[in-house]
Amino acid sequence: KNEVEQSPQNLTAQEGEFITINCSYSVGISALHWLQQHPGGGIVSLFMLSSGKKKHGRLIATINIQEKHSSLHITASHPRDSAVYICAVPFTGNQFYFGTGTSLTVIP
Amino acid sequence: DGGITQSPKYLFRKEGQNVTLSCEQNLNHDAMYWYRQDPGQGLRLIYYSQIVNDFQKGDIAEGYSVSREKKESFPLTVTSAQKNPTAFYLCASSISGGNLLTGYTFGSGTRLTVV
Repeated sequence: KNEVEQSPQNLTAQEGEFITINCSYSVGISALHWLQQHPGGGIVSLFMLSSGKKKHGRLIATINIQEKHSSLHITASHPRDSAVYICAVPFTGNQFYFGTGTSLTVIP
Repeated sequence: DGGITQSPKYLFRKEGQNVTLSCEQNLNHDAMYWYRQDPGQGLRLIYYSQIVNDFQKGDIAEGYSVSREKKESFPLTVTSAQKNPTAFYLCASSISGGNLLTGYTFGSGTRLTVV
């Protein structure tokens, strides 16, 4: 059983579509992270959130602590959004549970 | 520009050979990490180091070894004892060990293929 589950695993969208990626977790957490892995392999942190909602440009992340669920939304998707999106939760010290990732392809 | 450099980007080795993956950072970060990424699985921690000359095993340390002789460098050796070494390896660093991934910087990874 994975402590962090993501859905869908793969997602193809037309440019301009609204996209939602989901993350469910089974452990108690202090915060949840959304990461973006570029096609070249490098990873950047998009959001860290412990409650409510955060917005950065066209990206919106929400979290429901009671339901142990988080969503990452992309509005007006663009081909440059094509990447793997990973959610992660800390569990001890500096260790994390990572989701398996959602591979997003946005077609022009 | 500060960052993490992993080299090489692609590496091929014959089965039974040890291979060392390089990770260098110029961010003055104290903590460094090695993760392994396989298709359909989340990142898994191999080893981490909070300070120079000290490191701890992660979840999947068997068949790997590391050293931390300098703050800037954290090389990972994949030994012949690692049963399934073909994978994508990511190095990361942070100011200090902690549970805030926002403080992490990741490298671009090395894809190791053992034939």
